[in-house]
Amino acid sequence: GIQVEQSPPDLILQEGANSTLRCNFSDSVNNLQWFHQNPWGQLINLFYIPSGTKQNGRLSATTVATERYSLLYISSSQTTDSGVYFCARIGWGGYQKVTFGIGTKLQVIP
Amino acid sequence: AAGVIQSPRHLIKEKRETATLKCYPIPRHDTVYWYQQGPGQDPQFLISFYEKMQSDKGSIPDRFSAQQFSDYHSELNMSSLELGDSALYFCASSFSGSVLDEQYFGPGTRLTVT
Repeated sequence: GIQVEQSPPDLILQEGANSTLRCNFSDSVNNLQWFHQNPWGQLINLFYIPSGTKQNGRLSATTVATERYSLLYISSSQTTDSGVYFCARIGWGGYQKVTFGIGTKLQVIP
Repeated sequence: AAGVIQSPRHLIKEKRETATLKCYPIPRHDTVYWYQQGPGQDPQFLISFYEKMQSDKGSIPDRFSAQQFSDYHSELNMSSLELGDSALYFCASSFSGSVLDEQYFGPGTRLTVT
């Protein structure tokens, strides 16, 4: 089946550090989303990024669709960045479910 | 901007009871999806509806059923609850006219079965 692989599975950062999270997907995508799930369980959409690069404040994402991977960059990390980051793909054809990766659990320590 | 609304936000039930979760999509969105996230796991797709018809089905137990109503809200009905049904249940909505099929997720309903 279609796979979405994320690395690393766990990450501990000192506040202020930068990090890169990676997502590999086994099939072509219509769309790719990055989510942040906070400690209260809310899924917060960070980016819709089927290709190219987008930036939003300290976060940016790049998807290289032809090579089937996406990267999420977090700069100057803060303790509020802690949580789980999910990469998720949406296939082609309409009404497609979102397939999630297993996530990267990030802990930012003061 | 309006977001996806889910109710209730928290629900505690006993084994063998029934539960109903509700989802109100973003206005103009015609497609609704349900996902289940167990502890420490990623969300798993359960079922989706487009224009009140089931459009796709995932790993949804036979004890669960769902439907989408004329106002596009959706309900997930869960019967004979088991301890393993304890999870976060997310609803997402999208607009079929969107080429990229962006899905917008609600805040989730946390179901605890005791």
